[in-house]
Amino acid sequence: EVQLVESGGGLIQPGGSLRLSCAASGFAVSNNYMNWVRQAPGKGLEWVSVIYSEGSTYYADSVKGRFTISRDNSKNTLNLQMNSLRVEDTAVYYCARGRFPWTAAFDIWGQGTVVIVS
Amino acid sequence: QSALTQPRSVSGSPGQSVTISCTGTSSDVGGYNYVSWYQQHPGKAPKLMIYDVTKRPSGVPDRFSGSKSGNTASLTISGLQAEDESDYYCCSYADNYVVLFGGGTKLTVL
Repeated sequence: EVQLVESGGGLIQPGGSLRLSCAASGFAVSNNYMNWVRQAPGKGLEWVSVIYSEGSTYYADSVKGRFTISRDNSKNTLNLQMNSLRVEDTAVYYCARGRFPWTAAFDIWGQGTVVIVS
Repeated sequence: QSALTQPRSVSGSPGQSVTISCTGTSSDVGGYNYVSWYQQHPGKAPKLMIYDVTKRPSGVPDRFSGSKSGNTASLTISGLQAEDESDYYCCSYADNYVVLFGGGTKLTVL
């Protein structure tokens, strides 16, 4: 079964760091365009970052320089290292697979992991 | 990087049609045929409903359709059903390899 399962969320103080992981099953993260999308409480979806199959990475302006997306091919996981966290980073963080070919459409989503910065 | 503009809410009666608009710029919606739409029920992950402006993934009813004119994309739901009541988000590829979402639209089935 094709599935994504996020982990690593929690309560963290402003200025702190947190590392999120997303375990994939049924497909290889290395062959796909993998993304993080977040949703603040009661708010809409916000794209955070993407890692292309060939390794290029891109970020939303709101997290550039603070967040780093990466993948571990041996564990088939996607990661998001979040540093210098701010109160406004509080959200549910989803990992999502980009459809192939990549046209910024997300066909598989995880259930989300909650990050609270307070 | 500004969010795409959607109406905050729309409503319709069962059997009717509703259309949700999504307005961007020539740097996103207008510049690429890469608009997608998502349905999100409370407490759930989003679900892909439309991609590449007009295409439906397998399993999505043909009551859902997408279109685009200039810098505005639209999602039309025909033959409204009670289970269509949800939040809907548009999304577009944009210049400089980024992705933008709309603010979301709450659909109420009266």
